[in-house]
Amino acid sequence: EVQLVESGGGLVQPGGSLRLSCVASGFMFGTYEMTWVRQAPGKGPEWISYINSNGVLISYADSVKGRFTISRDNAKNSLYLQMNSLSAEDTAIYYCARDGRGSDRIDLWGQGTLVTVSS
Amino acid sequence: DFQMTQSPSSLSASVGDRVTITCRASQGIGDYLAWYHQRPGKVPKVVIYRASTLQPGVPSRFSGSGSGTDFSLTIDSLQPEDVGTYFCQKYNDVPRTFGQGTKVEI
Repeated sequence: EVQLVESGGGLVQPGGSLRLSCVASGFMFGTYEMTWVRQAPGKGPEWISYINSNGVLISYADSVKGRFTISRDNAKNSLYLQMNSLSAEDTAIYYCARDGRGSDRIDLWGQGTLVTVSS
Repeated sequence: DFQMTQSPSSLSASVGDRVTITCRASQGIGDYLAWYHQRPGKVPKVVIYRASTLQPGVPSRFSGSGSGTDFSLTIDSLQPEDVGTYFCQKYNDVPRTFGQGTKVEI
């Protein structure tokens, strides 16, 4: 089955860190560009980071730049998001997502992992 | 900051109605626009990409048009399963900004 499965979410105190993981299966992970998207409660999706297939090209939204780090291990079919200096504004469901072949849409989403930043 | 502005923010229509949602980009993005449908409690799913290409498996009552800065998503003959929120997203460059969403109700 073609799928993405995230893990690593949870409750963290302001200023804390979390590392999210996403394991891909059912497709050639190492040939796809990948994305992290988050969605705060009751809000629309927010694109937060991108990584190309070999991990060389990386980009971040201004809201997370300098605090979050995206990475991947193609040998393990895995995508990661290291999140530091977390604040309440980072509370959201975090989705791992696959970019379509034409780099023109997200064509596969994980089910998401909830990150709650609260004291 | 780059903005993707959708209108209306919400709408209510009847089964069988034709519904149109618009998305305006603050700068030209060519045809690099995708539309997603998100049902309550579910993950978004792509409906249209490259402004007018129907994602395989999506019913043909969905169509998209536009280029540059102005885009639209049309649902011919609205069905009960079409309720939810629709988001546009630009894909020409990073950041790949989403619109704020249009909630469709019956």
